[in-house]
Amino acid sequence: DTAVSQTPKYLVTQMGNDKSIKCEQNLGHDTMYWYKQDSKKFLKIMFSYNNKELIINETVPNRFSPKSPDKAHLNLHINSLELGDSAVYFCASSPGLNKNIQYFGAGTRLSVL
Amino acid sequence: GNSVTQMEGPVTLSEEAFLTINCTYTATGYPSLFWYVQYPGEGLQLLLKATKADDKGSNKGFEATYRKETTSFHLEKGSVQVSDSAVYFCALSDRGGSEKLVFGKGTKLTVNP
Repeated sequence: DTAVSQTPKYLVTQMGNDKSIKCEQNLGHDTMYWYKQDSKKFLKIMFSYNNKELIINETVPNRFSPKSPDKAHLNLHINSLELGDSAVYFCASSPGLNKNIQYFGAGTRLSVL
Repeated sequence: GNSVTQMEGPVTLSEEAFLTINCTYTATGYPSLFWYVQYPGEGLQLLLKATKADDKGSNKGFEATYRKETTSFHLEKGSVQVSDSAVYFCALSDRGGSEKLVFGKGTKLTVNP
């Protein structure tokens, strides 16, 4: 059983398209995150949700819109994709606020052509 | 703001060599400190953590001690194995309840037989 699962694993698309990445966790955690890892492996938080409520939004462009239909899911929708969006996107979850061990998914490699 | 600085990689060692990966941090207050490991093609996994000064985190032969006086959390292992080849990330989280992890840039370790 995969604790934090992301789909798809790979995503190749053209500039200007809209795409979504899905994330689900079966750990019963309250808090979920999206991180972006660039080509140099630098990892930076984008968003955090706690019980479906947005907690962290790290000055990410408006083209990125997270959606949390329930606390087990945090999806990432990206509009008007740009070349600079090419990266590996990681979803993570933790038991809750002040419970700072995070569990990561395997990542989604997005390539924008 | 909070930040983490890791030694630049890549690091290449022979099997059974001693490993040190340096990590220093800048933070207000008393953060928790972590080492995460990313094996090829996978998401990040927590390797070890320390939540207060002089705590030593350890796991799988790896150790790191939270040094408040030098604001450091260096990762060490006495005898590395080929299976330790991965990217290692030092990270901190503040205690403001935001659950935000701040990562260093990662250090790629390759262990040759």
